[in-house]
Amino acid sequence: EVQLVESGGGLVEPGRSLRLSCAASGFTFDDFAMHWVRQIPGKGLEWVSGIIWSGSRRVYSDSVKGRFTISRDNAKNSLDLQMNSLRADDTALYYCAKGTAGGTHDGGLDMWGQGTMVTVSS
Amino acid sequence: DIQMTQSPSPLSASVGDRVTITCQATQDIKNHLNWYQQKPGKAPDLLIFDAYRLQRGVPSRFSGSGSGTHFSFTISSLQPEDIATYYCQQSDSLPLTFGGGTRVEIK
Repeated sequence: EVQLVESGGGLVEPGRSLRLSCAASGFTFDDFAMHWVRQIPGKGLEWVSGIIWSGSRRVYSDSVKGRFTISRDNAKNSLDLQMNSLRADDTALYYCAKGTAGGTHDGGLDMWGQGTMVTVSS
Repeated sequence: DIQMTQSPSPLSASVGDRVTITCQATQDIKNHLNWYQQKPGKAPDLLIFDAYRLQRGVPSRFSGSGSGTHFSFTISSLQPEDIATYYCQQSDSLPLTFGGGTRVEIK
């Protein structure tokens, strides 16, 4: 079955860290770029970060640059997002999404996980 | 960053109506425009990529058009299962950016 499954979300205090993971199955993982997109419940979609098929290029939104790190392990078909120095405005549902090609902005995002909720609060 | 502006929102229409959503980019994105459908409590689904190409398995009542800075998304005959929020997204340059969404309701 073709799917993406996120994990690692939860409640965390401001300033602390959290690591999200995404397990991919059912497709050739290392052929495609992967992304993280977040959504405050009831609000719109915000792209967070992307990584090309090989992992050699990583890109970030300005809102997370310097605090978040995206990585992938093609041998394990997994994608991670290390989130440091978390802030209240990072509170959102985080989706893992698959690109339609290997580059960071080639085409749309054609597969999404169910999301994992991150709540940053004291 | 490229800003994407969608209209209208919300959009209220009757079953069987033809509905159109527009999306405008702040700079030329050629045809690098994608459309998603998000039903309540679900992840987004890619419906259309490259402005007009229908994703596999998507019903033919959905269509897209446009290039440059002006794009449109049309449902030719609105069905009850089409109740959702629709987002445009540009993939011309980083950061990837989404429109604010158009919630489609049944009148």
